[in-house]
Amino acid sequence: SQELEQSPQSLIVQEGKNLTINCTSSKTLYGLYWYKQKYGEGLIFLMMLQKGGEEKSHEKITAKLDEKKQQSSLHITASQPSHAGIYLCGADIGGAQKLVFGQGTRLTINP
Amino acid sequence: GAVVSQHPSWVICKSGTSVKIECRSLDFQATTMFWYRQFPKQSLMLMATSNEGSKATYEQGVEKDKFLINHASLTLSTLTVTSAHPEDSSFYICSASGDPRRPNSEQFFGPGTRLTVL
Repeated sequence: SQELEQSPQSLIVQEGKNLTINCTSSKTLYGLYWYKQKYGEGLIFLMMLQKGGEEKSHEKITAKLDEKKQQSSLHITASQPSHAGIYLCGADIGGAQKLVFGQGTRLTINP
Repeated sequence: GAVVSQHPSWVICKSGTSVKIECRSLDFQATTMFWYRQFPKQSLMLMATSNEGSKATYEQGVEKDKFLINHASLTLSTLTVTSAHPEDSSFYICSASGDPRRPNSEQFFGPGTRLTVL
């Protein structure tokens, strides 16, 4: 079974709109990572969250980790075409730095 | 952030041949490197964890004799796909982690290597 569930699997939004991607685990997470990937390319690190209730922002992207450290959300404000891509959440579930990944969310921004 | 490179970026080979993929951390010493595989439109699946100077730890279902991993230095890990077959065609990505004293330290990913086996 998938240890990390991402939703939605795909998302199409109008440029300028806000959007949220969720990542849920049934286990407590030692660390939660958000990456962006363009198809067939490597991963671009966005943010890492470790503490319950932690929130980080970079430019128009904000990521939060809930108090129980089992759910994270990635929020993009005023989306732009450059935000298009595949967003992956990865988590260290066992505390050994080995990451498991969600299925990914394919984001399309329509002009 | 730190830079991780992979070579080659893509490779096409005949069935039955072996292919070596290199993963290098360019500006930091990576005590641990991870190898992932990604099939089309799927997520990354961890194959193995490689620690410098010791044997790699493989995930369940990954054949250690087929996917040979060597981590001979703090900046280089190699993955060799032995006797490759078409079902081994995939996107292979490595990541590197630098500081074992920092739990959950950030992992830096390479750009990936696309392997196509004919």
